[in-house]
Amino acid sequence: GENVEQHPSTLSVQEGDSAVIKCTYSDSASNYFPWYKQELGKGPQLIIDIRSNVGEKKDQRIAVTLNKTAKHFSLHITETQPEDSAVYFCAASKSGSNSGYALNFGKGTSLLVTP
Amino acid sequence: NAGVTQTPKFQVLKTGQSMTLQCAQDMNHEYMSWYRQDPGMGLRLIHYSVGAGITDQGEVPNGYNVSRSTTEDFPLRLLSAAPSQTSVYFCATRNFKNIQYFGAGTRLSVL
Repeated sequence: GENVEQHPSTLSVQEGDSAVIKCTYSDSASNYFPWYKQELGKGPQLIIDIRSNVGEKKDQRIAVTLNKTAKHFSLHITETQPEDSAVYFCAASKSGSNSGYALNFGKGTSLLVTP
Repeated sequence: NAGVTQTPKFQVLKTGQSMTLQCAQDMNHEYMSWYRQDPGMGLRLIHYSVGAGITDQGEVPNGYNVSRSTTEDFPLRLLSAAPSQTSVYFCATRNFKNIQYFGAGTRLSVL
């Protein structure tokens, strides 16, 4: 089955700096790669996703890149703010309408942005 | 529009007790699933359903039962709780674009 590795497990940055979280996956058939943000006491929320036909996607201060050949994808957060502090999870899946393909999650990165 | 609603938010059980974690959604999504989240382990899939009447096992199904009689509800049953089932449980739905929506979670302690 799919194996998703996520690094680093913890990341501390100064406000205004950039943060990068990296993930690798094992199943070359995976074609959907979402990133989730989980704040304390809450469920994960989707912040950005990318599909295998795209190499990069941006949404304001957040960007995700995908390298299908190397089977890795990364989350980039620029101009970090204290409210970006949370646990971030990457995931990989094979998409398909009404399919049983589940999300396989990385173990998470705890990001701390200090003022 | 509540999205995904999980009840209860917190629960303490004694070893051997049974209980049902409730999950309800109002987005008319066919796909629903249950994950458990343990420290340092990320989220692991317990069971999932691709529609009413259809369920299947995920990565860690042992000790849990599910059923799906309606599109809206997907309860998770613990028949005989064990301390190893102490965890945070999340229910999720998925739309046709493969985007998953999570509930707020149920925090379960088994003593």
